[in-house]
Amino acid sequence: GAVVSQHPSWVICKSGTSVKIECRSLDFQATTMFWYRQFPKQSLMLMATSNEGSKATYEQGVEKDKFLINHASLTLSTLTVTSAHPEDSSFYICSAWGERGHLSYEQYFGPGTRLTVT
Amino acid sequence: QKEVEQDPGPLSVPEGAIVSLNCTYSNSAFQYFMWYRQYSRKGPELLMYTYSSGNKEDGRFTAQVDKSSKYISLFIRDSQPSDSATYLCAMSAGGANSKLTFGKGITLSVRP
Repeated sequence: GAVVSQHPSWVICKSGTSVKIECRSLDFQATTMFWYRQFPKQSLMLMATSNEGSKATYEQGVEKDKFLINHASLTLSTLTVTSAHPEDSSFYICSAWGERGHLSYEQYFGPGTRLTVT
Repeated sequence: QKEVEQDPGPLSVPEGAIVSLNCTYSNSAFQYFMWYRQYSRKGPELLMYTYSSGNKEDGRFTAQVDKSSKYISLFIRDSQPSDSATYLCAMSAGGANSKLTFGKGITLSVRP
């Protein structure tokens, strides 16, 4: 299957600082990327959908000024958690959909980034 | 009522057992149904997908969808310890770049 990478895989930051997470599609062009958040023993919750070259669409209840998403190229999307607080500690996962997805609903997931805010 | 409900776990079975995992949903617009497997601290991996109602088989895995009952199942035959993971059902209304709605997930443990 297609390969999606995330960087970093694990990050610890202090409360009040910002953290940037990268999501890359390594062998295909991702026209759409999705960002999810997963708390322990909980399901994946969609945070936002980003299309290359346009503004992200955020799900209800997700603060767009706090979770900044940039999808500047067909292979890279970034999620920046601004002024992070301990309650933002979670597992952040991206997925990508693009020309390798021969069926419209097939998304390829990255390995996830574990964020801990102290 | 949540859009997607998944049987609570965890579930522990002996090696070789047949495992049945189930989800129900409330949104009639869902047309595409998927099962993902997620190992600890990893991203989900697509296992099976089905469009509309019916069955689909892939090796030891069989996915069933009953749209009239809004009920989907994943069966694992001859379960192996390597099948131990969290299984999530996911659904989509379809269309280009459709977002997925996930169930909560159930953790399966297959004992040698």
